Amino acid sequence: NAGVMQNPRHLVRRRGQEARLRCSPMKGHSHVYWYRQLPEEGLKFMVYLQKENIIDESGMPKERFSAEFPKEGPSILRIQQVVRGDSAAYFCASSPRGAGGEQFFGPGTRLTVL
Amino acid sequence: ILNVEQSPQSLHVQEGDSTNFTCSFPSSNFYALHWYRWETAKSPEALFVMTLNGDEKKKGRISATLNTKEGYSYLYIKGSQPEDSATYLCASPIYGNNRLAFGKGNQVVVIP
Repeated sequence: NAGVMQNPRHLVRRRGQEARLRCSPMKGHSHVYWYRQLPEEGLKFMVYLQKENIIDESGMPKERFSAEFPKEGPSILRIQQVVRGDSAAYFCASSPRGAGGEQFFGPGTRLTVL
Repeated sequence: ILNVEQSPQSLHVQEGDSTNFTCSFPSSNFYALHWYRWETAKSPEALFVMTLNGDEKKKGRISATLNTKEGYSYLYIKGSQPEDSATYLCASPIYGNNRLAFGKGNQVVVIP
């Protein structure tokens, strides 16, 4: 049973470009979470999704950021018009159910904005 | 306390010594406390999920206790080995809805 997959592992973008980060949850997991780790900081919650629904996006910036988890395919975190401050490691986690259960993390995508 | 906090931020341990560190969290509306082990360049790996006051969990030489009334959890490493070098994260869904709030981690370096 493959773990949580994220791609790409490293992504370099110039200011103003778009970044698309993908997350394939573990098989059988319908809950996906995105976290961000800024330099010198801990993991910060961004968004929680179930299949086709955004449950909680309170940790995600209102502008330029969006997330989806379609019925088929991976979850996508999209950042439009990236700025230098978006440079961070973005982690995805999945769980088979909600209710505070164990979350399984992917290896992360390290985004660098030049 | 309003957030999840961990102390000390980093510690160096001699191989063979035992060590422990603390995670503090809001004690009101407690739901669960998670411990993760995070090695550099790898994914955070779940160690324990604890829910009941007085819970004690163990995995090999690593164990954890939970006090939900006073809002803290201890993680213990017995007889530290170099492979225990990692950052240990604790997290709790303090804002509800499975939204984990993480501490900044306890970075452990075991010196051979």
